[in-house]
Amino acid sequence: ETGVTQTPRHLVMGMTNKKSLKCEQHLGHNAMYWYKQSAKKPLELMFVYNFKEQTENNSVPSRFSPECPNSSHLFLHLHTLQPEDSALYLCASSQDREEAFFGQGTRLTVV
Amino acid sequence: SQKIEQNSEALNIQEGKTATLTCNYTNYSPAYLQWYRQDPGRGPVFLLLIRENEKEKRKERLKVTFDTTLKQSLFHITASQPADSATYLCALVGDSSYKLIFGSGTRLLVRP
Repeated sequence: ETGVTQTPRHLVMGMTNKKSLKCEQHLGHNAMYWYKQSAKKPLELMFVYNFKEQTENNSVPSRFSPECPNSSHLFLHLHTLQPEDSALYLCASSQDREEAFFGQGTRLTVV
Repeated sequence: SQKIEQNSEALNIQEGKTATLTCNYTNYSPAYLQWYRQDPGRGPVFLLLIRENEKEKRKERLKVTFDTTLKQSLFHITASQPADSATYLCALVGDSSYKLIFGSGTRLLVRP
């Protein structure tokens, strides 16, 4: 256990569905991240939040919508996804820019 | 554009030998360079962090070097073991940003 919990671990959704991924950290960290990892591709940074404020949006399509209600919780709202969005979605947290702690990820399949 | 390069070919070594992995970067001035280990289907696990003003860092069998002139970091695992087999990721973060960017990783295979 890294102290970062992601739910669900697996998700299958249709292209017209709306779903949300949840990430929770109780490490007292001030930064939280969403990454996408596709097969045979490097980790792609999607969003960064620092003290609940979004500081990075790495040109992510609007069908991915992040939400950070407080410094312990991070959501990724999904709607009208495409099959190519199928990937492992990883959440991480860190204190300032020190080591990042990752969750186990959500394996998303879009059908 | 900013680029982080790691050898995409797997590194295959005999147990007991030293594994050396390379991370090169361009168009970047990182404040920190970090190394992570990732096993299949799991999130990366932090191993070591080295700052821009540090040349070398050690932790047990691990050693990291950081050459900001060459824009390169080397990651060494001494006395390697089959349990060290995994993908190793290099990551950079700048001094005014929380943008933690990863390389594509190098897969290490340690043969018994």
